[in-house]
Amino acid sequence: AQKITQTQPGMFVQEKEAVTLDCTYDTSDQSYGLFWYKQPSSGEMIFLIYQGSYDEQNATEGRYSLNFQKARKSANLVISASQLGDSAMYFCAMRVRGTSYGKLTFGQGTILTVHP
Amino acid sequence: EPEVTQTPSHQVTQMGQEVILRCVPISNHLYFYWYRQILGQKVEFLVSFYNNEISEKSEIFDDQFSVERPDGSNFTLKIRSTKLEDSAMYFCASSEVLEAFFGQGTRLTVV
Repeated sequence: AQKITQTQPGMFVQEKEAVTLDCTYDTSDQSYGLFWYKQPSSGEMIFLIYQGSYDEQNATEGRYSLNFQKARKSANLVISASQLGDSAMYFCAMRVRGTSYGKLTFGQGTILTVHP
Repeated sequence: EPEVTQTPSHQVTQMGQEVILRCVPISNHLYFYWYRQILGQKVEFLVSFYNNEISEKSEIFDDQFSVERPDGSNFTLKIRSTKLEDSAMYFCASSEVLEAFFGQGTRLTVV
């Protein structure tokens, strides 16, 4: 079974500062993908960034980067130059290949609050 | 930009009633899913659907739930006899290969 753990229920950051949201995972599969989603107060789930288990480079998408440390089974999300609009719930999720293709297992989420 | 569309955005129903939640996945996607999020909690997988059949379902997806792809575009989740504990946000998602794209969700309130 797969498991995702997000140990930070809430995080606070000053506008324009960088913030790291932690995510650790557990799986026995060698092939898997790691995802981060943003959920604003309006409720929708917005895809942010993806990292494949065989990708050698850390994924980056604009102000988002994923700090992937395979040996430590961690996939932390780094948001640079935080903006007020970044205040939201952030979920880390994992998909393994070879089972139900595409099923995502989610962590508990981290609420990020950006202060002006 | 293509997106997953869900209707209605909010539904209130009486306990014991049947509800149908509707989704239009992204047109070239092959895999479809329903997830549920009880208020303030994490997102939970319900069911995945591929090639016109269920490919996996969770223990939450019991006999009161069913899914259907009645035509080439819609994907529905039916809850036969709703219970109070079915109150949640229900998300439809679709994917082609990698990332899953989510709809905006249907907030179901059972009273």
